[in-house]
Amino acid sequence: KAGVTQTPRYLIKTRGQQVTLSCSPISGHRSVSWYQQTPGQGLQFLFEYFSETQRNKGNFPGRFSGRQFSNSRSEMNVSTLELGDSALYLCASSVRGDYGYTFGSGTRLTVV
Amino acid sequence: EDKVVQSPLSLVVHEGDTVTLNCSYEVTNFRSLLWYKQEKKAPTFLFMLTSSGIEKKSGRLSSILDKKELFSILNITATQTGDSAVYLCAVGINDMRFGAGTRLTVKP
Repeated sequence: KAGVTQTPRYLIKTRGQQVTLSCSPISGHRSVSWYQQTPGQGLQFLFEYFSETQRNKGNFPGRFSGRQFSNSRSEMNVSTLELGDSALYLCASSVRGDYGYTFGSGTRLTVV
Repeated sequence: EDKVVQSPLSLVVHEGDTVTLNCSYEVTNFRSLLWYKQEKKAPTFLFMLTSSGIEKKSGRLSSILDKKELFSILNITATQTGDSAVYLCAVGINDMRFGAGTRLTVKP
């Protein structure tokens, strides 16, 4: 069974640009969560989607947004990139969001 | 504000040793506590604990939750070099709040 797939694996962007990251959950999983991981702040929750609806949101500015499609695939968008947005962005999926999540390998975003 | 504190932050042991990792938490609405192992990028799910005093076990790893004292421990017995990783504790379920992690290094 395929795991959680995140694309692209690596990304380099310039300050002020915007970026879209993609996450394909495990087949049958309807809950998708996104996390940002940095050396200074550790793993921080961004948002969670279930059946195309944002169900939970962390404490990130409005520049961070996401969506989920009818096939449960999810995208995350960051607009007006800042240097501090450089991080590993991890996506995780779960059947209903009531048990342990399976993480993808992440997208490493570097903002220069 | 929810808080998850793990200790120690790092630990170096030799193969065969037993280690205990700690996780304490303060949350307004506790639902569950989870343990993950992160070796390179993707954290791997280990345990989910919701009830006090019930030990979860998987091979050499075990974990228990104390909801009265607001902490959990993760035990690893007979450690192996392959156990070297960052062990993460989190509270919540679909909106996990993670601790900073414990970096475990197991030397041959």
